[in-house]
Amino acid sequence: GQNIDQPTEMTATEGAIVQINCTYQTSGFNGLFWYQQHAGEAPTFLSYNVLDGLEEKGRFSSFLSRSKGYSYLLLKELQMKDSASYLCAVRGYSNSGYALNFGKGTSLLVTP
Amino acid sequence: ETGVTQSPTHLIKTRGQQVTLRCSSQSGHNTVSWYQQALGQGPQFIFQYYREEENGRGNFPPRFSGLQFPNYSSELNVNALELDDSALYLCASSSGTLASNTGELFFGEGSRLTVL
Repeated sequence: GQNIDQPTEMTATEGAIVQINCTYQTSGFNGLFWYQQHAGEAPTFLSYNVLDGLEEKGRFSSFLSRSKGYSYLLLKELQMKDSASYLCAVRGYSNSGYALNFGKGTSLLVTP
Repeated sequence: ETGVTQSPTHLIKTRGQQVTLRCSSQSGHNTVSWYQQALGQGPQFIFQYYREEENGRGNFPPRFSGLQFPNYSSELNVNALELDDSALYLCASSSGTLASNTGELFFGEGSRLTVL
């Protein structure tokens, strides 16, 4: 089975940096993903990590440590539009095949 | 806009009824996966179809079933509806399978099901 934990809520100030952590337990690990979901909208893809290390994409970076079952999403130069839910998702393999399982999401509020 | 369309957008059913939700995948995508998202929760993986065959399934009972058609569109069927089935049902398409792609799923806007 899979167990994915991330903080429920976070608050940060416009222009600041925020780090959203995710820990996971899974069988047959095959990649970790971050998605952004604004209220009432569909999730949109942010990043993908399958090897250890940091992946940078503009203001967003994602880090993975497979041995620790740990990832974080780093958001720099926060903007008001970054207020959203951030979903950590882990791809794993079981006898039912591959599955992409999401955490409950971290609701980020960016304040002026 | 991702090009993934779902219908209906909203529907209301009563306990015990059956429902069919539909999804048209983005052009060029051969894989469709379905997710259930309860209010305030993350999406929960139901199953995935690749080239008309189910090749991955989450912890959902058999009354959740699906189909994928030759044009890669898909249906999610839920029988014997229960109150806890009330949720947003999201369809996502991608090219390749869950095992082979980089995880960039393109989601539709979802079908919001209310079971009374």
